[in-house]
This record gives sequence, structure tokens and C-alpha cells, in this order.
Amino acid sequence: DARVTQTPRDKVTEMGQEVTMRCQPILGHNTVFWYRQTMMQGLELLAYFRNRAPLDDSGMPKDRFSAEMPDATLATLKIQPSEPRDSAVYFCASGGGTSGNNEQFFGPGTRLTVL
Amino acid sequence: KQEVTQIPAALSVPEGENLVLNCSFTDSAIYNLQWFRQDPGKGLTSLLLIQSSQREQTSGRLNASLDKSSGRSTLYIAASQPGDSATYLCAVMGARNTGNQFYFGTGTSLTVIP
Repeated sequence: DARVTQTPRDKVTEMGQEVTMRCQPILGHNTVFWYRQTMMQGLELLAYFRNRAPLDDSGMPKDRFSAEMPDATLATLKIQPSEPRDSAVYFCASGGGTSGNNEQFFGPGTRLTVL
Repeated sequence: KQEVTQIPAALSVPEGENLVLNCSFTDSAIYNLQWFRQDPGKGLTSLLLIQSSQREQTSGRLNASLDKSSGRSTLYIAASQPGDSATYLCAVMGARNTGNQFYFGTGTSLTVIP
């Protein structure tokens, strides 16, 4: 049963600390997305990659957020330093599999709380 | 920029009723439209994907339609059940130099009353 996995599922940290969230896309998918969901803003696209290359990260605060894909099986989203306003659920999604229909599949999310 | 709107924001219906959720988008240049379900505290589960060349897709009690020219999609749920209670989101993939970016609506929160 192929699925997107994310770690950690929950993270509580103090303001100023570095936070790293990890995502394993579905094997064979060549597109990876990072989203943030809050009650106020809904789902916001932060960044996405195709074939490991960043295509768009305009939704990310550049001064503190960074997204990378060290290899095809791992995507990371880092926040340094973290702030209370970063508290949200961060979702990773992958798509672009062999079906070619660009359907997106979401991971379970990382719930981040910055105190 | 593509804007996606979902109406109503919340809906409460008695079990067994058929219902329609609406999604509208401002730019008709899309590759596809996808409907998701999100349960509280959970991730998004893909329900149906409609390509821009298609008019509808069906899966079990769910039927999604797409009218690209008018910028509208509907999700029809037949014979609703309490287990259908969740937030339903639609997302469109833009086709104007936006790569594979999805634009999400704010969702419709559905409650099916037993």
C-alpha cells in the first residue's frame, strides 16, 4: 500500500529552535509539494519540487524556511529560527506517477507547535 | 492568480439525504480538478480527479462534475451516511505557467446527522 509518510507527526518546540520535518514521497512519484494548513489561512503551498529540482518556493518565508530534496526518497522542510506564528500542520504531498494524471497524494502531516 | 471558492462553508444534513457541494474557480485554464476529504486532525484523502477534458468522474456514491468554461465543479454525494462527515476540499491545477501547482478552496464542512 503506497503512501506518503511524514515524520515527526507532532513537534512541540520553543521559539528560536530549529525544526526539521521529513517526507518520504510515494516511490516513482516525481513531484513533491509542501503545504501549511492553519485555521485562518487554510491550505497554503510553500514549495514544490519536480525531479528533485525546486520549481517554486515563493510561498515560503525565505529568511527562515528552506526546503530540499537530498534524494528521490526524501524531502525536508526546515525552519530556523522557529516562531510562534509558524505553528500549523505541515503536509507533504507527492504526485506525477506513472499514471500521468498529476493526482496528488497527501501524507498525514506534521503538527508543529512553537511556544 | 487562480482563486477557488467553495460554497457552502458548512452543511448539515440528515442521514440518507443526497447533497451537492460546490466549487468555483476564476481561471478556466486548468489541467485538472481534484476533490479531497479531510477528517479532523488527519491528512487529505483523494476522492476524485477530473482531467480538464472530462466532464465527470464517479466513485461509489460520489459523482464529481466539471464545467471548465463556467469555472465550476460539483461533488454529489448520494444517500449520505454519518461516516461522510468531514471537510471536503477542491483543488485545481493551473495551466498558465504555474507548473503543477494546486490551488485549494477553503472547504465545506459536512455533518451528516444520524
